Amino acid sequence: QLQLQESGPGLVKSSATLSVTCSVSGDSIRDNSQYWGWIRQTPGKGLEWIGSIYRSGHTYYNPSLKSRVTLSVDTSKNQLSLTLTSVTAADTAVYYCARDGYSGFAHSYWYLDHWGRGTLVTVSS
Amino acid sequence: QSVLTQPPSASGTPGQRVTISCSGSNSNIGSNTVNWYQLLPGTAPKVVIFSSNQRPSGVPDRFSASKSGTSASLTISGLQSEDEAEYFCSTWDDTLNGHVFGTGTEVTVL
Repeated sequence: QLQLQESGPGLVKSSATLSVTCSVSGDSIRDNSQYWGWIRQTPGKGLEWIGSIYRSGHTYYNPSLKSRVTLSVDTSKNQLSLTLTSVTAADTAVYYCARDGYSGFAHSYWYLDHWGRGTLVTVSS
Repeated sequence: QSVLTQPPSASGTPGQRVTISCSGSNSNIGSNTVNWYQLLPGTAPKVVIFSSNQRPSGVPDRFSASKSGTSASLTISGLQSEDEAEYFCSTWDDTLNGHVFGTGTEVTVL
């Protein structure tokens, strides 16, 4: 059974870099033809898609975060990583990873079919 | 921030029907299928509807959804206490070239 587990620092200082890792079990990133997405839920602002990455490293990014975000994949560890630079209080959120749509399929049919429980990251001043 | 608009709350008594609306535009709902996610605190979010009206295996058939033009809706028929959660609509946006989400609707079972 597919499971995703996020791990993060819990607390990050303002202007620093935030890093979150997602460990995948029950499926192989290397053997899977799906993208893997990152989403965050900020207090009072709902859900926001951060970006999605394929096993090859190909990425889609939310334009509003693109200048500060880097997604990466380590197929040998079956892990995904998210890095967000120059964080502010507005980046305080629960960060989720999820399995996304199939490569080669129309984006119209993409959806996030399995999610992790998320990890709360708080940005402090 | 959210591109899709939902009512902030909806409620009903056990057994009642609740419908949640989701309004978007031509570049998102008008051009792509809609998905609905259920969020419960401390648990992994769960997709309850994909491709506008398809239920994943394991999701009760009291969950149904439809799409028309630039709007979509999720209906929970025969509301149960375990349905109390926050629900988000979502779709692909061709302008953003990524997923967009609704503002979220808190469903309360009275």
